[in-house]
Amino acid sequence: KAGVTQTPRYLIKTRGQQVTLSCSPISGHRSVSWYQQTPGQGLQFLFEYFSETQRNKGNFPGRFSGRQFSNSRSEMNVSTLELGDSALYLCASSRTASGETQYFGPGTRLLVL
Amino acid sequence: EDQVTQSPEALRLQEGESSSLNCSYTVSGLRGLFWYRQDPGKGPEFLFTLYSAGEEKEKERLKATLTKKESFLHITAPKPEDSATYLCAVLETSGSRLTFGEGTQLTVNP
Repeated sequence: KAGVTQTPRYLIKTRGQQVTLSCSPISGHRSVSWYQQTPGQGLQFLFEYFSETQRNKGNFPGRFSGRQFSNSRSEMNVSTLELGDSALYLCASSRTASGETQYFGPGTRLLVL
Repeated sequence: EDQVTQSPEALRLQEGESSSLNCSYTVSGLRGLFWYRQDPGKGPEFLFTLYSAGEEKEKERLKATLTKKESFLHITAPKPEDSATYLCAVLETSGSRLTFGEGTQLTVNP
């Protein structure tokens, strides 16, 4: 069974640009969560989607947004990039939204210059 | 607000030297506690889920235990390939987000 896939794996952007990251969950998984990982803050929850609906949102500014499609694939978008947005962005999927084990993808490494 | 504290921050062991990692947590109601292993530049790899105090799970050289306040990850006779950062996370009953600790960076020297 294929795991969670994320594209692209690496990305370099400049301040003020926007970026879209993609996540394909494990087949049959309907819940997708996004996390930001930085050396200083560790893993921080961004948001969770289930059946195309955002069910939960972390404490991030409105520049961070996401969506989920009918096939459970998800995208997150960051607008007006700042230097502090440089991080590893991780996507995790689980079968349902009831708190089952979340399985992580390899992440997208974003560098903002 | 959920809090998760892992200790120690870093741990160096000799191959074969057993030890334990600690994860203490504060949540209003625990739905589950999760252990992950993360290698540099990769996503966290799932190890264990624990749901109630007294529960234990084992996998190869790893054993995870849970009490009402903390969890331990015991590593028996570690090998160099066990070197990684071990992350603990909690899920509270009222939510669907994982709250992670800062992790313990384990190095096992041959």
